Amino acid sequence: EVQLVESGGDLVQPGGSLRLSCAASGFTISSSWMHWVRQPLGKGLVWVSRLKSDGRSSIYADPVKGRFTISRDNAKNTLYLQMNSLRAEDTAVYYCASERDGYNGALDTWGQGTMVTVSS
Amino acid sequence: SSELTQDPAVSVALGQTVRITCQGDSLRTYYASWFQQKPGQAPVLVIYAQNKRPSGIPDRFSGSSSGDTASLTITGAQAEDEADYYCNSRDNSATHYVFGTGTKVTVL
Repeated sequence: EVQLVESGGDLVQPGGSLRLSCAASGFTISSSWMHWVRQPLGKGLVWVSRLKSDGRSSIYADPVKGRFTISRDNAKNTLYLQMNSLRAEDTAVYYCASERDGYNGALDTWGQGTMVTVSS
Repeated sequence: SSELTQDPAVSVALGQTVRITCQGDSLRTYYASWFQQKPGQAPVLVIYAQNKRPSGIPDRFSGSSSGDTASLTITGAQAEDEADYYCNSRDNSATHYVFGTGTKVTVL
C-alpha cells in the first residue's frame, strides 16, 4: 500500500525554524516528484514546493521562496521541508504528496498532514 | 502565476447530478485534476488527466474540459459525496502548481 506519513509539526515563535518530515512506504520517492501543500485552517489548499525525481531540481511558491527548503533522504525514503524565518501566515496544516508516473502530473497520494502554528 | 476559480458552494439532491467548474487560463494548456476533501481529512484524488479515475473512485465521478474551463460531474450524488472539491493544475509558468478556490458540495 502506498502511504505517506508526515511529522514534525509544532508551535513555534515568529522567526523560528522547523523541519517537517514525510515518510513514504509502498513506493520509492527517488522515482517520483514530491510536493508540499499547505492549508490554513478553514481555508483552501495552497501549493508550497516540489522536488523532482533527480533530487536536485526544486521550486517554491513565492511566499516561501528563500525561507523554505525541500529535500529528501533516499536511504530513509523520506521527504523533508526545512522552514526558516517563520511567520504567522505560515500557520497551516502541511501535507506532503506524491506525483508518480502514470498519473499525468497529478498529486496522486497525500499524507494525513501535520499542523504548524507560528505564534508568540 | 495564474488562478483557478471555482464557485464557492453548490447543492444537489440525493441521487441527482451536479457539475462543479474550474476556470483559469492555464487549463487551456495543462490537464486539470480534482480532489475531494472531507472535514478533518486529507485530500483524495478523484479525477486526473482531465477525465481519468484512480482505482477505487466510483464511476459516478467524471471529468471534462473545454477551453479554459474544467468540470467535475457527480452523476447520482450520494450522501458520502458531501465534501469540499478542489481543482489543480500547473500554472502558466509550467513550473509552479495552483489549486482552485474550492467548492463546497452539499447533498440534500
